[in-house]
Amino acid sequence: KAGVTQTPRYLIKTRGQQVTLSCSPISGHRSVSWYQQTPGQGLQFLFEYFSETQRNKGNFPGRFSGRQFSNSRSEMNVSTLELGDSALYLCASSLGYPGTSGYNEQFFGPGTRLTVL
Amino acid sequence: QKEVEQNSGPLSVPEGAIASLNCTYSDRGSQSFFWYRQYSGKSPELIMSIYSNGDKEDGRFTAQLNKASQYVSLLIRDSQPSDSATYLCAVLTSGTYKYIFGTGTRLKVLA
Repeated sequence: KAGVTQTPRYLIKTRGQQVTLSCSPISGHRSVSWYQQTPGQGLQFLFEYFSETQRNKGNFPGRFSGRQFSNSRSEMNVSTLELGDSALYLCASSLGYPGTSGYNEQFFGPGTRLTVL
Repeated sequence: QKEVEQNSGPLSVPEGAIASLNCTYSDRGSQSFFWYRQYSGKSPELIMSIYSNGDKEDGRFTAQLNKASQYVSLLIRDSQPSDSATYLCAVLTSGTYKYIFGTGTRLKVLA
C-alpha cells in the first residue's frame, strides 16, 4: 500500500508570496492533519480535515488555510509569506475514527520543506 | 504547563544497552498514545501505539503506559547505532481529539 505523498518536496518563496502544498493520504484514510515543524518549536498542529470538513484547528493565524477534497486529498495554503514561515510542513493521515483504538494511528508523509527569503 | 513533556536529551547509551525514553501528559482523559522515531531531515515514523495500561512489546521496543500517573515510556532493548534519532511522544487528547506532540528526546547510541 502506498504511503502518504506530499508535493512539492522543496519550495523557495519570497516574503509576501503565497504557497499551496498538497497531500495525498494513504488509500482508505479519511483524516488528514497538517503540522509545521521548526527546530525551535517542534511539531505544531495546524489543522485536521475529515470527510472534507475541518475538524480541528491549531493556533495559527488566518494566513494558514486548508481544504480537503472528496477523494481525501488535501491542500494547505499560506498567504502573505513571512520569514518565520520557513519550516518543514508535514501531512499525516489516519483512518480518522477518534475514540476507537487502532483507528487513529497517524502516518506521516515525507514533508515539504519551505524556505521563505 | 506543556501538554506533553519529554526530556530533550541527548540521551546517550552504549551499543547493546537498554534505552529508556519517558513522556508525561496533562490530559487525564487521553486514551491513545504513540511513539514516533524521526531521523534528522526525515519525517516522523510510527514505532508503537498503546491504548491500555501496562506493557506492549514489538521486537526490541516496549511501550509502557500508566494512566494513573499520566506517564508513557518507550524502552529500546539491545540499542544499535541505527537507533540514534529523535523520539517523539504523541497523545490523542480526549474531547477535541487533537494529536499533541512532545518536543522529542534525542537518543545517541554509541558504538
